[in-house]
Amino acid sequence: DQQVKQNSPSLSVQEGRISILNCDYTNSMFDYFLWYKKYPAEGPTFLISISSIKDKNEDGRFTVFLNKSAKHLSLHIVPSQPGDSAVYFCAASGKSNDYKLSFGAGTTVTVRA
Amino acid sequence: EAQVTQNPRYLITVTGKKLTVTCSQNMNHEYMSWYRQDPGLGLRQIYYSMNVEVTDKGDVPEGYKVSRKEKRNFPLILESPSPNQTSLYFCASSFIRESSYEQYFGPGTRLTVT
Repeated sequence: DQQVKQNSPSLSVQEGRISILNCDYTNSMFDYFLWYKKYPAEGPTFLISISSIKDKNEDGRFTVFLNKSAKHLSLHIVPSQPGDSAVYFCAASGKSNDYKLSFGAGTTVTVRA
Repeated sequence: EAQVTQNPRYLITVTGKKLTVTCSQNMNHEYMSWYRQDPGLGLRQIYYSMNVEVTDKGDVPEGYKVSRKEKRNFPLILESPSPNQTSLYFCASSFIRESSYEQYFGPGTRLTVT
């Protein structure tokens, strides 16, 4: 039972434009949502997170939006850079399950020059 | 530099030969986890620890053991490895507060069991 879903397996965007990655979840008990970037043969790199008490969190080029009523979150990367080409995972967690993270399957982002 | 380290990075072993993968973090985090990543299955949690001497099973704990005797270290033990434990393993360390959750991964250990 996949509680976190990333329905777009891939995304191609031009350098300098906005990348928007989407993530949906089913468990209303989730309290935290995280985004990671992963290059091949490396560990995932933490990008940004948001708690359920907020609807937006911003860190540099990365902004995460949370819509609790729709059980949906998105990651905006502005502007997109060639180094952003990677696989992006969203993950969700809740205090009720000991903060265990449930991961989406990932979206591969390709930034075109 | 804040980091999570794992050793070894690569390991080829034979069925039944006990092995330990070490994990250490220097961020004073209370929460640590082990994951395995397999093609088509994504990241799956093996074990986690919410603090020293507190460990619990994740989604795929069979065939693994862990210990948490000190806050910084969280070794993963395979008492009798089998080929189905061939995988890419990640250790992670987390900072969790009321309004914030950050998790940092190690570089990974690629294990092959023949």
